[in-house]
Amino acid sequence: GAGVSQSPSNKVTEKGKDVELRCDPISGHTALYWYRQSLGQGLEFLIYFQGNSAPDKSGLPSDRFSAERTGGSVSTLTIQRTQQEDSAVYLCASSSLGSSGNTIYFGEGSWLTVV
Amino acid sequence: SQKIEQNSEALNIQEGKTATLTCNYTNYSPAYLQWYRQDPGRGPVFLLLIRENEKEKRKERLKVTFDTTLKQSLFHITASQPADSATYLCALDEGNTGFQKLVFGTGTRLLVSP
Repeated sequence: GAGVSQSPSNKVTEKGKDVELRCDPISGHTALYWYRQSLGQGLEFLIYFQGNSAPDKSGLPSDRFSAERTGGSVSTLTIQRTQQEDSAVYLCASSSLGSSGNTIYFGEGSWLTVV
Repeated sequence: SQKIEQNSEALNIQEGKTATLTCNYTNYSPAYLQWYRQDPGRGPVFLLLIRENEKEKRKERLKVTFDTTLKQSLFHITASQPADSATYLCALDEGNTGFQKLVFGTGTRLLVSP
């Protein structure tokens, strides 16, 4: 596609429910990132995928968070048993390569509200 | 501890003036630094990258400086326009991770009045 596509754009869920957020990166981009942006906070790195390599999950805040990337393209971020502190914008980004200096393109984000 | 700091207070300026935004960092030795623009409800958009061996980088009305001694980057918008109103984020590579792991500041909101 022309840009990074994320869905849903908005999601309101009840505390304790599971949610799935989807990211469709720019075609041909091998590197994919998930970031989280809470109100008044900077972007927080969550996870990085590069091609078929094992992902870097060092930013996932708890074991309730997981992500996968199927076929080297679409990625899904799953949050189990959501808590109110999970409310944030979840931003997906992709770049042609994961190495330093490559331009990262962000999607518009999935706004998650846990009530 | 490692920190990236941007002025959290909004910067209000009049159209036509030069806006200057500051990004300070501690306990990082970045090979480069990036600036992004973020509009409300949108994802960040890449603007400029400056490398550690570059003192200054320009793109149209934008200018970025990078002082690795002061550990500071300045972002300038000359002849500012109301359409420049947005939040501007600086980011640098955390380094030593084998991939581009960007760490972002919290951003400074710029408001340009007509």
